[in-house]
Amino acid sequence: EDQVTQSPEALRLQEGESSSLNCSYTVSGLRGLFWYRQDPGKGPEFLFTLYSAGEEKEKERLKATLTKKESFLHITAPKPEDSATYLCAVQARWSYNQGGKLIFGQGTELSVKP
Amino acid sequence: DSGVTQTPKHLITATGQRVTLRCSPRSGDLSVYWYQQSLDQGLQFLIQYYNGEERAKGNILERFSAQQFPDLHSELNLSSLELGDSALYFCASSGSGELFFGEGSRLTVL
Repeated sequence: EDQVTQSPEALRLQEGESSSLNCSYTVSGLRGLFWYRQDPGKGPEFLFTLYSAGEEKEKERLKATLTKKESFLHITAPKPEDSATYLCAVQARWSYNQGGKLIFGQGTELSVKP
Repeated sequence: DSGVTQTPKHLITATGQRVTLRCSPRSGDLSVYWYQQSLDQGLQFLIQYYNGEERAKGNILERFSAQQFPDLHSELNLSSLELGDSALYFCASSGSGELFFGEGSRLTVL
């Protein structure tokens, strides 16, 4: 069964204190690994897609990396506006019955204090 | 703005009732997905439609049903509502690959 586990559940940082979020996954053939940001009461906002081990993508203070078993979201010098829940999801290789659904982890709630 | 529109934003109803949630996908996207998010369950996949046909099914209760219309908008019907159905319901659409989510419909069952 496809599964995604994120750690830690919650992370509290001081402004400027860099850290990483972890996403471990098992999937029957990875088509893509996705990172989303979700603010309270809002829909998930797409951040990155990673397709193969060794791939990296960056956006402002965020950098996502992928290995064969896990992905990391590195946050460099975070600001209070980076506070949100970060969700990781996997998409299995396409099959007719699987479609393109994403399987999500429980998320990491990030709080950045000034 | 993701381009995915969901209505209503908030809905309060009583146990045993039936509600319909509506979703308009991004222009050009053929796939629509429905997810349920509750505090203890995270984002749970319910069902996917592609160009009017059901494509994949997740942990969707028999009391719930969905359809996608020729203009590609989708509706999620929830019937015989129970207290435990209170949650945020998200619709997402995709062309290929990443999903883009709407702002959700918050359902409260009293």
